[in-house]
Amino acid sequence: AQKITQTQPGMFVQEKEAVTLDCTYDTSDQSYGLFWYKQPSSGEMIFLIYQGSYDEQNATEGRYSLNFQKARKSANLVISASQLGDSAMYFCAMREGASGGSNYKLTFGKGTLLTVNP
Amino acid sequence: NAGVTQTPKFQVLKTGQSMTLQCAQDMNHNSMYWYRQDPGMGLRLIYYSASEGTTDKGEVPNGYNVSRLNKREFSLRLESAAPSQTSVYFCASRDSLLRGQYFGPGTRLTVT
Repeated sequence: AQKITQTQPGMFVQEKEAVTLDCTYDTSDQSYGLFWYKQPSSGEMIFLIYQGSYDEQNATEGRYSLNFQKARKSANLVISASQLGDSAMYFCAMREGASGGSNYKLTFGKGTLLTVNP
Repeated sequence: NAGVTQTPKFQVLKTGQSMTLQCAQDMNHNSMYWYRQDPGMGLRLIYYSASEGTTDKGEVPNGYNVSRLNKREFSLRLESAAPSQTSVYFCASRDSLLRGQYFGPGTRLTVT
């Protein structure tokens, strides 16, 4: 079974509107972390936002917020006020186990290609 | 502060040739990782090194070897390249206090 599922291969949004990119995960660990990365067409991987399984509040970083629903095992990325530069591939990833552990590996989803239209 | 650097940026190999992908980070990070990215597959972990002197297999280690030369450098070696190893390879690093991994720019490898 896939550990990270991103069900939207592609999404379109109008400039200045908000968009939600879906991510569901599967783990039996109590301690885990969820990440979102952005990959523009230039190819680099850019870390956007992190949510720990014990964090009580949803993570926010500027225009990015993570809608964390633990019971549903979902960690959706919300981008507010979309900009043309947000057009990119977005990957959800999960770390299983405690963040301080040395055995720190990420499992990635297959990604969602976001296109922002002017 | 260059972050995570990778060399080369592009490489074309013939089947059976060998090569080493180099990765270095100047952030004094403990852990380093090698991933491959294939179309429609996301990133998959090949090998990682939790700290200097240790290496462990990831999800897709077959056909690869790694060396953690020192705290800064983590190399990935293909002993006998195969067309199935055509991919984009990313190196990443992480400090124990950081929550995200920081990625290099990638190496695009084609095996013919």
